[in-house]
Amino acid sequence: AQSVTQLDSQVPVFEEAPVELRCNYSSSVSVYLFWYVQYPNQGLQLLLKYLSGSTLVKGINGFEAEFNKSQTSFHLRKPSVHISDTAEYFCAVSRTGTASKLTFGTGTRLQVTL
Amino acid sequence: GAVVSQHPSRVICKSGTSVKIECRSLDFQATTMFWYRQFPKQSLMLMATSNEGSKATYEQGVEKDKFLINHASLTLSTLTVTSAHPEDSSFYICSARETGRRYNEQFFGPGTRLTVL
Repeated sequence: AQSVTQLDSQVPVFEEAPVELRCNYSSSVSVYLFWYVQYPNQGLQLLLKYLSGSTLVKGINGFEAEFNKSQTSFHLRKPSVHISDTAEYFCAVSRTGTASKLTFGTGTRLQVTL
Repeated sequence: GAVVSQHPSRVICKSGTSVKIECRSLDFQATTMFWYRQFPKQSLMLMATSNEGSKATYEQGVEKDKFLINHASLTLSTLTVTSAHPEDSSFYICSARETGRRYNEQFFGPGTRLTVL
């Protein structure tokens, strides 16, 4: 089975500052990795995904993440955040293959202030 | 592309009544849909996997008779919460996986807020 750990439940940051949201996973098999964003009372929107290939993945809204197999991490970064980035961010993992379920982390609340 | 809708977005019902939530893939076919439950300030918990034309697969601890799932077409799955009670109040989110995709990218609906009085 797979598991995901998001150690930071909340991350406060000032606007225009850089941010890193941490995600570590555990799995005995190959995995796909995802980051989703959830705005209040809404569903999830995919930010980016790692399937294979380059370990640096670029997503929407200026976010990027780096897959580090040796450290089993997939941290999300943005060089300069905006107020509109305030939301809940979920890291998720699934086994490779078409029928695998997603396992989500507990989420990190990114709070951007002026 | 890849839009998933849910209806209703919000529902309030009395204890003991049943509530049906619809999940539709609007511009793609979805052989597989997923139903999640999310409590306030918590993560998504997978309730069941719904496959078109067959019975849903429920996660451990989820009552099949309580949460009825029907996936009658490639674009529609429904979740019926039967004899709802206040503890069933939650945010229910569905997702759909496009038929034929080689990896498990799921497209999520906007969610349904259920409040049972």
